Amino acid sequence: QKEVEQDPGPLSVPEGAIVSLNCTYSNSAFQYFMWYRQYSRKGPELLMYTYSSGNKEDGRFTAQVDKSSKYISLFIRDSQPSDSATYLCAMSAGGGYQKVTFGTGTKLQVIP
Amino acid sequence: DGGITQSPKYLFRKEGQNVTLSCEQNLNHDAMYWYRQDPGQGLRLIYYSQIVNDFQKGDIAEGYSVSREKKESFPLTVTSAQKNPTAFYLCASSAPGQRETQYFGPGTRLLVL
Repeated sequence: QKEVEQDPGPLSVPEGAIVSLNCTYSNSAFQYFMWYRQYSRKGPELLMYTYSSGNKEDGRFTAQVDKSSKYISLFIRDSQPSDSATYLCAMSAGGGYQKVTFGTGTKLQVIP
Repeated sequence: DGGITQSPKYLFRKEGQNVTLSCEQNLNHDAMYWYRQDPGQGLRLIYYSQIVNDFQKGDIAEGYSVSREKKESFPLTVTSAQKNPTAFYLCASSAPGQRETQYFGPGTRLLVL
């Protein structure tokens, strides 16, 4: 079993839809949770960073962490064609150098 | 503009050849990382360095080597011992006390001739 599981998709939604992207994990030591957006043939770009449980909102993006269920989500409101990309979840236990473990990514396509 | 640059964008390797991928950052970050990305797999850590003149192996270091002679630079050499080098290579860096938030370069795609 992988430490971090992420559905690879692809996920196709119409423009304006609310998108929900999810990851599950098995390591209860993870405390830091990140979401990256990666356009085709480009490097990942940090979108959201959350410590421990709870919600964090930034514009159209909301990151949600449920440590009791070992489940994290990224919601995108009013999705745009420019949101079409692969979304990677990442997580770390923190504390000095701790390895960051990445999900395999979910490919999202927003159709105009 | 602060950021991470990688060169070249595309690199072709002949069998038995060593090739070096460049990574430079002007973010004044102390830690730097090399990852390999293959289709359907998450990013896998090759090497990382927290300070100049020091680096550690990641999960898949075999067939790779690195150096860290300057804070700004962290080149990766793919040696002939790496039998399956075709992949997308990503360099990243992070600031002190913020190891979890890594910033990535644009990547280098390595192809074998």
